Amino acid sequence: KAGVTQTPRYLIKTRGQQVTLSCSPISGHRSVSWYQQTPGQGLQFLFEYFSETQRNKGNFPGRFSGRQFSNSRSEMNVSTLELGDSALYLCASSSAVNTEAFFGQGTRLTVV
Amino acid sequence: EDQVTQSPEALRLQEGESSSLNCSYTVSGLRGLFWYRQDPGKGPEFLFTLYSAGEEKEKERLKATLTKKESFLHITAPKPEDSATYLCAVQGGNNRKLIWGLGTSLAVNP
Repeated sequence: KAGVTQTPRYLIKTRGQQVTLSCSPISGHRSVSWYQQTPGQGLQFLFEYFSETQRNKGNFPGRFSGRQFSNSRSEMNVSTLELGDSALYLCASSSAVNTEAFFGQGTRLTVV
Repeated sequence: EDQVTQSPEALRLQEGESSSLNCSYTVSGLRGLFWYRQDPGKGPEFLFTLYSAGEEKEKERLKATLTKKESFLHITAPKPEDSATYLCAVQGGNNRKLIWGLGTSLAVNP
């Protein structure tokens, strides 16, 4: 059974640019969550989607947005990148909202 | 406010030296407590889910326990391949978001 796939694995962007990250969940999983991980802050929740609807949202500015498609694949977008957005972005999928989540390998974003 | 605190921040053990990691939490109406393992540069790997005080789960050299205020991850006779960061997260009744601790970085020396 294929795991959660995130693309790309690494990304370097310039301040002010925008970026789109992609996540393909485990087959049959309808819930997808996104996290930002930095050494000092740990895992910070961005948002969660279930059946194409955003169910939960973390405390991030509006520059961070996401969406989920009918096949459960999800994308997150960050506009007007800042140096502080450099982080490992993780996607996790689960079969339902209250069950354990399985993570992808993450996308390492570096903003220069 | 829901909160998770893990201790110690870092732990160095000799191979075979058993120990425990702590995860203290405050949450309104615990729905579940989750343990994950994370290797450098990789996503967290799911280990256990605990739902109620008194519950215990085991996997190889790991055993997780839960009380009303904290959870322990016991590591028995660890091996170097157990070296990783161990993360704890809770999900409360009021808000289904997972609240994460900062993790315990475990190093097991051969």
